[in-house]
Amino acid sequence: EAGVVQSPRYKIIEKKQPVAFWCNPISGHNTLYWYRQNLGQGPELLIRYENEEAVDDSQLPKDRFSAERLKGVDSTLKIQPAELGDSAVYLCASSLNRANTEAFFGQGTRLTVV
Amino acid sequence: EDQVTQSPEALRLQEGESSSLNCSYTVSGLRGLFWYRQDPGKGPEFLFTLYSAGEEKEKERLKATLTKKESFLHITAPKPEDSATYLCAVQAQRSGGYNKLIFGAGTRLAVHP
Repeated sequence: EAGVVQSPRYKIIEKKQPVAFWCNPISGHNTLYWYRQNLGQGPELLIRYENEEAVDDSQLPKDRFSAERLKGVDSTLKIQPAELGDSAVYLCASSLNRANTEAFFGQGTRLTVV
Repeated sequence: EDQVTQSPEALRLQEGESSSLNCSYTVSGLRGLFWYRQDPGKGPEFLFTLYSAGEEKEKERLKATLTKKESFLHITAPKPEDSATYLCAVQAQRSGGYNKLIFGAGTRLAVHP
């Protein structure tokens, strides 16, 4: 069975440019998470979806970050415009549903803003 | 405020030298405590979930235990392939059934032959 798939694996952009990350969760998983992981730190939740509804986006910097999960499957996380401090690894994870506690992570997208 | 603190930050072991990693937590209403392994350039890989004090889980050379304030990940006779960053996370109970994982910064383990 395929795991959580993310693309691209790496992205280098200049500051003020837009960037988008894509995630395909495990088939049948209703809950999808986007996390950001800075070097030497644990992941921090940006947004969580239950199907197509964003139920926890309190940590998402809404002035420049946006996310969508159309049809409750794939999800896209966008940053516009990117800042130097956005350089990090962006991780997507999924779990069966909100009551299921085991989350499976993708390999992440490493973003470098120069 | 919910908080997770892991120690030590880094640990170097000789192959076969057993040790323990610590995860201390402060959370209102613990729903679960999770251990993940993360290799360089990869996403975290799920290892264990512990739900209540006194619970223990084992997998190969790893054993996780839980008290009301902390969890330990015991590594018995480690091998070089056990080298990775080990992340601890807690899930707090929230109204409406919505929960989120709060991660510690991790312990970087290096096992040398």
